[in-house]
Amino acid sequence: ETGVTQSPTHLIKTRGQQVTLRCSSQSGHNTVSWYQQALGQGPQFIFQYYREEENGRGNFPPRFSGLQFPNYSSELNVNALELDDSALYLCASSLVGDEQYFGPGTRLTVT
Amino acid sequence: QKEVEQDPGPLSVPEGAIVSLNCTYSNSAFQYFMWYRQYSRKGPELLMYTYSSGNKEDGRFTAQVDKSSKYISLFIRDSQPSDSATYLCAMSAGRTGANNLFFGTGTRLTVIP
Repeated sequence: ETGVTQSPTHLIKTRGQQVTLRCSSQSGHNTVSWYQQALGQGPQFIFQYYREEENGRGNFPPRFSGLQFPNYSSELNVNALELDDSALYLCASSLVGDEQYFGPGTRLTVT
Repeated sequence: QKEVEQDPGPLSVPEGAIVSLNCTYSNSAFQYFMWYRQYSRKGPELLMYTYSSGNKEDGRFTAQVDKSSKYISLFIRDSQPSDSATYLCAMSAGRTGANNLFFGTGTRLTVIP
């Protein structure tokens, strides 16, 4: 167990809707990264937060946004959902620059 | 061309075999190299973390990095059915800034009892 938790485990949304996914980092970790893993693919970097500020972003549109809170929990928000957004969403916590430990993921299905 | 290439397999071996998993990469800035194990419908679990070229051993697992060839490997000795999973290689350029990980597609391994 990494101590990183995510909620919900699984959810189903309709195209065009908005979704919020949540992550609770391992105690003491000040950095959280979010990844999208499509079926049969490796995780793709969405963005990273360090001390509540975005600290880098991958090749994802602005409708993917995030927040990190003082207690190091974080959220991933996705607006205007598209069918291709169906994937496993993973958060990973770390100390800045250190090894990243992943949570179990949230499986999002967009119909 | 993808930055990280990994043979997706699937790879099937008998129990007790030595398993060799490999990745190649194109970005010479990568300095940190990792192997993750991912069971079905679970998050990736960090197995090995290495810096720059060289070997690192942890129990039945050995990670090798050859930066001159842009090639990394993971060896599993005395493979067990519990090793059946998808193995993902990952790498990053540094420890400052957004040290985001670049992943391979993963190799699915099955160890047959």
